Amino acid sequence: GAVVSQHPSWVICKSGTSVKIECRSLDFQATTMFWYRQFPKQSLMLMATSNEGSKATYEQGVEKDKFLINHASLTLSTLTVTSAHPEDSSFYICSAFPGLAGATTDTQYFGPGTRLTVL
Amino acid sequence: DQQVKQNSPSLSVQEGRISILNCDYTNSMFDYFLWYKKYPAEGPTFLISISSIKDKNEDGRFTVFLNKSAKHLSLHIVPSQPGDSAVYFCAASEVAGNNRKLIWGLGTSLAVNP
Repeated sequence: GAVVSQHPSWVICKSGTSVKIECRSLDFQATTMFWYRQFPKQSLMLMATSNEGSKATYEQGVEKDKFLINHASLTLSTLTVTSAHPEDSSFYICSAFPGLAGATTDTQYFGPGTRLTVL
Repeated sequence: DQQVKQNSPSLSVQEGRISILNCDYTNSMFDYFLWYKKYPAEGPTFLISISSIKDKNEDGRFTVFLNKSAKHLSLHIVPSQPGDSAVYFCAASEVAGNNRKLIWGLGTSLAVNP
């Protein structure tokens, strides 16, 4: 159980275009989903926390107008990279947390990641 | 400021031996710790966790030890297998507003040699 999928698994786009990445929890409902990015040989960097039905909470330094997050249902969150530039090229990973906000345990289940390359 | 530190970027171990991966943290408010395993170009896979009220948690070949006074935890893998070769991330959980979030270490790349 606790399977999280991401689509697409890789995408190449031209500079200035927008790219949408989907994150789905397949066998559980996720009240909270997280979006990370990882640069080569670096740790995971949390970009934002997405709660179903409310606005996402962005980490310091992450542009909310550039990285649009929508968590419209308990099984789907989307990240849209708007007007992508080469420096946005990265590995984007989502995770889903099946517990309630404020729960004392916090096992996040991760999607397989999306490799974005902006030319 | 790195709140979760994995000071060894890499570790090499012989098959069958014990692998010990270390993690230090600075924030005493962390109340839950997790280890994840990650292969290149894949999302992390949850491995094992421990609550701050415990000092040990065991699951098969994997054991996590927590020393709260030293703000240190370690992951023991015994016996190590070639399939264990991956990057291991230590993460600490903290309350952030109405949510919880994970603070990640930089990872330790484990190579288990046959």
